[in-house]
Amino acid sequence: AQKVTQAQTEISVVEKEDVTLDCVYETRDTTYYLFWYKQPPSGELVFLIRRNSFDEQNEISGRYSWNFQKSTSSFNFTITASQVVDSAVYFCALSEERAGGTSYGKLTFGQGTILTVHP
Amino acid sequence: NAGVTQTPKFRILKIGQSMTLQCTQDMNHNYMYWYRQDPGMGLKLIYYSVGAGITDKGEVPNGYNVSRSTTEDFPLRLELAAPSQTSVYFCASSYLGLAGGPRDNEQFFGPGTRLTVL
Repeated sequence: AQKVTQAQTEISVVEKEDVTLDCVYETRDTTYYLFWYKQPPSGELVFLIRRNSFDEQNEISGRYSWNFQKSTSSFNFTITASQVVDSAVYFCALSEERAGGTSYGKLTFGQGTILTVHP
Repeated sequence: NAGVTQTPKFRILKIGQSMTLQCTQDMNHNYMYWYRQDPGMGLKLIYYSVGAGITDKGEVPNGYNVSRSTTEDFPLRLELAAPSQTSVYFCASSYLGLAGGPRDNEQFFGPGTRLTVL
């Protein structure tokens, strides 16, 4: 069975600090997708990134960057120069395979990390 | 496109009552899902559908039923509501193609329904 662990329940930083959110996953499948979602105080889920298991390149999008390491089964998320608007709950999620496999895109979520950025 | 819409946004039920949470997507996605999010927790899958007429259980299906008569709609039915079903319910949809396109497997979520059972 697949599992996603976000060891940090809550993180508190001061604006402009860099912060890294950890995500460790377990899966027996060789083909899978990893995701990060943001849930701001308003409650909706905002898609941030998808990474498939064959692409280990790190990705940067503005102040956001992601480090995917299959050797350690980790997919960590870094926010550079954090801002108050980054305050939210962040979820890491895993989906095994794509259509044609047996998972049908079902997502397994971590328990989330509450990030609070203070001015 | 409206994306994924859910109604109602909020609802309070008494123990034993029934209700249907509505979910509609206008992206012609073949896959749809229902998740629940309990306070301080991640989302857990209740049911999912791979196309009209085809549904299957997720991790926490007890106390719920679904149907999918059209591509667009995927209602979730609660029978005999219990306090343990107090949660926020999210509907999602995605397109999964065998070729693995750039948007493949990305799940689009609705805004959620906050349900309280008293």
